[in-house]
Amino acid sequence: DAGITQSPRHKVTETGTPVTLRCHQTENHRYMYWYRQDPGHGLRLIHYSYGVKDTDKGEVSDGYSVSRSKTEDFLLTLESATSSQTSVYFCAIMDGEADTQYFGPGTRLTVL
Amino acid sequence: DAKTTQPTSMDCAEGRAANLPCNHSTISGNEYVYWYRQIHSQGPQYIIHGLKNNETNEMASLIITEDRKSSTLILPHATLRDTAVYYCIVRNEGNMLTFGGGTRLMVKP
Repeated sequence: DAGITQSPRHKVTETGTPVTLRCHQTENHRYMYWYRQDPGHGLRLIHYSYGVKDTDKGEVSDGYSVSRSKTEDFLLTLESATSSQTSVYFCAIMDGEADTQYFGPGTRLTVL
Repeated sequence: DAKTTQPTSMDCAEGRAANLPCNHSTISGNEYVYWYRQIHSQGPQYIIHGLKNNETNEMASLIITEDRKSSTLILPHATLRDTAVYYCIVRNEGNMLTFGGGTRLMVKP
């Protein structure tokens, strides 16, 4: 599982509230990613990070911000959650040696 | 980014080989083909990847045509636990993975 954990694993929140999801890795990988997955769809990239304090936008970044203050943690924040952000969120790391992305177990977020 | 085309769904008998095709006719010379699978509600699981040559690991084999416009993932002896959605992905130079709809493989007893 490449030492990736996500927290919380499940969250229910109300529209307009801020939400922060955490991705934690134990193997000092430089690249980390946040994806979302909606029913009937593949994963879509939200944001990614290529080092501490170095982040960039993905395909569906509107309404999301990220922060990476240390190598092991990559945080995804919904400043003001909306119902359209109800989704399953997956974090991933890039294992440079294996040239492969590995994914965390996911966080199921419901915005009422 | 190169797009991939996969059948929406496939069935396979338990114990038989599962051959999952993927078309990627616009792939460029330095783009890799990756395969992942996703078992219900879990995170995508890496299976295998390749550039030009055929590849094999403990999970599967990847056959890439000589012109690199298509590939086939082979699960040599499918089990019920191989029932999943299988994604064929062409990875761009920026290391980004673009997931399509995938193939839903149903392994039947």
